[in-house]
Amino acid sequence: AQSVTQLDSHVSVSEGTPVLLRCNYSSSYSPSLFWYVQHPNKGLQLLLKYTSAATLVKGINGFEAEFKKSETSFHLTKPSAHMSDAAEYFCVALKPGNTPLVFGKGTRLSVIA
Amino acid sequence: DSGVTQTPKHLITATGQRVTLRCSPRSGDLSVYWYQQSLDQGLQFLIHYYNGEERAKGNILERFSAQQFPDLHSELNLSSLELGDSALYFCASSVDPSGGEFTYNEQFFGPGTRLTVL
Repeated sequence: AQSVTQLDSHVSVSEGTPVLLRCNYSSSYSPSLFWYVQHPNKGLQLLLKYTSAATLVKGINGFEAEFKKSETSFHLTKPSAHMSDAAEYFCVALKPGNTPLVFGKGTRLSVIA
Repeated sequence: DSGVTQTPKHLITATGQRVTLRCSPRSGDLSVYWYQQSLDQGLQFLIHYYNGEERAKGNILERFSAQQFPDLHSELNLSSLELGDSALYFCASSVDPSGGEFTYNEQFFGPGTRLTVL
C-alpha cells in the first residue's frame, strides 16, 4: 500500500520569505505525485505534478517541487511567499494505472505580513 | 473554475435522514470520483465511476451509494445520516481512468458540498 506523509500540519512564514512544505511518500514503486492547493471554502486546484519525467517540476504561482527517489520525498517550495498563498496544501500520490488519489493530511500555510 | 459543478453548496439535515448530492463533470470527462473531507479523516476517496459503471470503491460506508447516469452526471446518496457524516464532499472528474502505466489523467475538483448533520 502506498501512503503520503506531510511532515508539518502548519507552516507559518513571513511575506517575501521562502516556503518549504515537506512531503514523503511510501511505496514499493514510484508513484505519480502531485501537490494540490485548497483555498478557504474552495475546491482543490492542481499546483503541479510529477509523472516520471523531469524530477524538478514547476507549477503555477511560482511553486515548484523536486522528486527525490533516494529520499522518497517530494517537497514543495516557493522562493518568496505572497499573502495569497495562504491556504491548505495537499501532497497526493497516484499508483500507475490510475487507482484513486491518496492524500496526505494537509499542511496549512499561513503568511504573515 | 474547474468546470465541475456540485449542488447544493450547503446542506443541513438531521440524523437519520437521507440526502442526495449531485455532480456534473467537465464536458467530455467520462470519470467521476467522490471524496469526503472531514476533520478526523482528512480527504478520503469514496468511489469512482467511469461511463456509468463503478470502477473502484474506497472507504465508502454501506449507508452510502452512488451512481452515474447516461448523461454522465453523478449522484451520491447518503442515508441514515449520523453526526459523523458531517463533512465536505467533493466530486472530481477526469477524461479517462485508463491508460498506460505512466499515464495520468488529471482530476478536476468541484467546489464541494458541505453537509452538516445535526
